[in-house]
Amino acid sequence: EPEVTQTPSHQVTQMGQEVILRCVPISNHLYFYWYRQILGQKVEFLVSFYNNEISEKSEIFDDQFSVERPDGSNFTLKIRSTKLEDSAMYFCASRQRPGDGLFFGSGTQLSVL
Amino acid sequence: GDSVTQMEGPVTLSEEAFLTINCTYTATGYPSLFWYVQYPGEGLQLLLKATKADDKGSNKGFEATYRKETTSFHLEKGSVQVSDSAVYFCALSDHQDSNYQLIWGAGTKLIIKP
Repeated sequence: EPEVTQTPSHQVTQMGQEVILRCVPISNHLYFYWYRQILGQKVEFLVSFYNNEISEKSEIFDDQFSVERPDGSNFTLKIRSTKLEDSAMYFCASRQRPGDGLFFGSGTQLSVL
Repeated sequence: GDSVTQMEGPVTLSEEAFLTINCTYTATGYPSLFWYVQYPGEGLQLLLKATKADDKGSNKGFEATYRKETTSFHLEKGSVQVSDSAVYFCALSDHQDSNYQLIWGAGTKLIIKP
């Protein structure tokens, strides 16, 4: 069964450093998303991406965040200068059509020290 | 705006008990409704979905029926197992929303005791 893959599974970084979280969505999917979940809290929407551009972003997704689809398979989330409060599990998701369920990757646990 | 409200947890049951986790929603359009499950230490998995009123989604013994009249999508299982212990999230995707992003409930932690 096709799946969304995320790398790395764990990322530890120092405050102020840049991190890139990588995702490979399911190959025929067209809509891509990043969510995050701080331990024990609600799943929070970060950004949606369609047709090679951001279609919506939340208040969390400030100038420190960016997304890119550098080729036909990868979908990356970059945090330019990490803060302690960026520590969370980051989930990538994709779907083929609007209204379909989202397929999630297994997440990248980001720890900012 | 659109929203999803779930019953607060944790919900603690004995094995083989009947499970109901309540979920109600508000939406301006005609949403699709979803239940996701997150097992300890793992990511989010789609459990089931329903795309229109009166549809019933089902998977792994879980069921939920899209009730437009009560704006509800309650999750049920007739006989739970210890392996069902997880956090369950109700979510909607509003077709009126041009971005179709998911609106999430807060999650309900389910604990099943042997």
